[in-house]
Amino acid sequence: DGGITQSPKYLFRKEGQNVTLSCEQNLNHDAMYWYRQDPGQGLRLIYYSQIVNDFQKGDIAEGYSVSREKKESFPLTVTSAQKNPTAFYLCASSIATRGNEQFFGPGTRLTVL
Amino acid sequence: AQSVSQHNHHVILSEAASLELGCNYSYGGTVNLFWYVQYPGQHLQLLLKYFSGDPLVKGIKGFEAEFIKSKFSFNLRKPSVQWSDTAEYFCAVNARGNYQLIWGAGTKLIIKP
Repeated sequence: DGGITQSPKYLFRKEGQNVTLSCEQNLNHDAMYWYRQDPGQGLRLIYYSQIVNDFQKGDIAEGYSVSREKKESFPLTVTSAQKNPTAFYLCASSIATRGNEQFFGPGTRLTVL
Repeated sequence: AQSVSQHNHHVILSEAASLELGCNYSYGGTVNLFWYVQYPGQHLQLLLKYFSGDPLVKGIKGFEAEFIKSKFSFNLRKPSVQWSDTAEYFCAVNARGNYQLIWGAGTKLIIKP
């Protein structure tokens, strides 16, 4: 089955620790995205990548970092500099030539204690 | 800056009632338009999309949306809702040629059986 996998589904970390969220896709999509979803705020773009070894900041990149070493993988690190990291994180991918219809993974709920 | 406005944050309807969820965007150029749905515990998934052509688009599960360019609107409709339509609905807009989707805050729809 083609799709996007995110792991883990739930993640708990202590304040001050960095944590890395995994995102893998086997759709052969060039573009990948990380969003943060908070109640009543919709989806906010953290980072996106159009191609391997290249990525751009989204609207709320502060306190986050990403890498794109392989087409299939786009991990997100939530650093200790992120002031309010507890949230639901969604990874997506798309083929830009198809009007940027994005396909989503199941998400990771991060709770920082 | 581009923005997307969904007018209703919470909507409660009885089964068989008609549904219309509003979506307005602010961008003067050519756009692609999307409605996504997030059922409880499930992935965010595409409900319908508009790229060009007939401004009345039909999606899955009996949903449709009409693009009215002069009003910068893309309202979602369904003539008769079911309990299984309980979900959160998101409108998103993509400026043609741009990788980013701009998202509305979402509308939580609850259908009373």
